[in-house]
Amino acid sequence: GAVVSQHPSWVICKSGTSVKIECRSLDFQATTMFWYRQFPKQSLMLMATSNEGSKATYEQGVEKDKFLINHASLTLSTLTVTSAHPEDSSFYICSASKDRTYEQYFGPGTRLTVT
Amino acid sequence: GDSVTQMEGPVTLSEEAFLTINCTYTATGYPSLFWYVQYPGEGLQLLLKATKADDKGSNKGFEATYRKETTSFHLEKGSVQVSDSAVYFCALSAGGFKTIFGAGTRLFVKA
Repeated sequence: GAVVSQHPSWVICKSGTSVKIECRSLDFQATTMFWYRQFPKQSLMLMATSNEGSKATYEQGVEKDKFLINHASLTLSTLTVTSAHPEDSSFYICSASKDRTYEQYFGPGTRLTVT
Repeated sequence: GDSVTQMEGPVTLSEEAFLTINCTYTATGYPSLFWYVQYPGEGLQLLLKATKADDKGSNKGFEATYRKETTSFHLEKGSVQVSDSAVYFCALSAGGFKTIFGAGTRLFVKA
């Protein structure tokens, strides 16, 4: 149990376009979902935390108008990178929590390349 | 604020060697502690966890003990394999679901 999927696993888009990444909890209801960004050979940087039905809480320095997060249901959260630029190229990872044990279940990640 | 410090890598070992990756933390309250592993090109997987002092988490031959007196959660394995080559992240959660990750330690195991 506790499987999280992400789609797509990799995506290439042109500069100026938008791309949507989906994060789904497949066999549990996620009270909270998280979005991270990981640069090569570096740790995870938390971008935002979202609860179902409410606005996401963004970390300092993360542009909320550029990285749109929607958490429409207890099993689905989406991250939309708007007007993508090459510097947005990165590995984006989502995770989900189902209860108050603080354990997070991670998706496999989405590699975004902006050309 | 809360933080996690883990030893810098990369760590290179021969197969069957003993592994220790040090991790210390700073937190208010009583955090839960985790080790996550990331294989090349993949997301993170929970390796083990401990939720209170003196708890020992273990999985796949890896162990870590929650030491409140030294604020540490060192990862150990008695005999590493080539398949253990990955990046290991120490992490803590202390309320609000927010997880703080260490910088990660890359492990290379040579046959």
